[in-house]
Amino acid sequence: DTEVTQTPKHLVMGMTNKKSLKCEQHMGHRAMYWYKQKAKKPPELMFVYSYEKLSINESVPSRFSPECPNSSLLNLHLHALQPEDSALYLCASSQVGGASTEAFFGQGTRLTVV
Amino acid sequence: GEDVEQSLFLSVREGDSSVINCTYTDSSSTYLYWYKQEPGAGLQLLTYIFSNMDMKQDQRLTVLLNKKDKHLSLRIADTQTGDSAIYFCAAPPYGGATNKLIFGTGTLLAVQP
Repeated sequence: DTEVTQTPKHLVMGMTNKKSLKCEQHMGHRAMYWYKQKAKKPPELMFVYSYEKLSINESVPSRFSPECPNSSLLNLHLHALQPEDSALYLCASSQVGGASTEAFFGQGTRLTVV
Repeated sequence: GEDVEQSLFLSVREGDSSVINCTYTDSSSTYLYWYKQEPGAGLQLLTYIFSNMDMKQDQRLTVLLNKKDKHLSLRIADTQTGDSAIYFCAAPPYGGATNKLIFGTGTLLAVQP
């Protein structure tokens, strides 16, 4: 199983809403990532978790709150978002350490903030 | 930090070969990756090359690495309409965590029937 599953596939939320994006993998990977991708742009890293601990936060606004409850799950909690936060949010996972960072990506959640 | 550049667009006819190019700035990158993204979808890892290799072939895909010029290319033989997508090269940044990828700007490949 080389799949990374993200739910929901699409999400529309108002600026005062609270919602969560979910990501799951069963490849035994201990590194999990959130990327944000705007239209016609490359993915930009937001957060990295290694062994369920936050290891990289790329200066992401606090209205995005990641959580890694166990080695298979990664959540992204959203609160008080702005319209400019509308994007495709991609989850990925990989092994930790070593020279290879071969990452497997989910299909993404298309988020629209209204 | 690492900077990864690609040409924005490539158009080929079905059956021809496609060559997508990428340049990077950090010579210490140990692995370099190619990802494919179809419209509205996530990223699919296509192939990768270790920095001590010059070439890697995987079915219709050939990756060439010129470390001296910091140039990476992806050749797709017998390009099909299903190969139409955006292709990203990616590399870990120098001095940064190995679990971090910097993506190139992406090349849109359009395959004409």
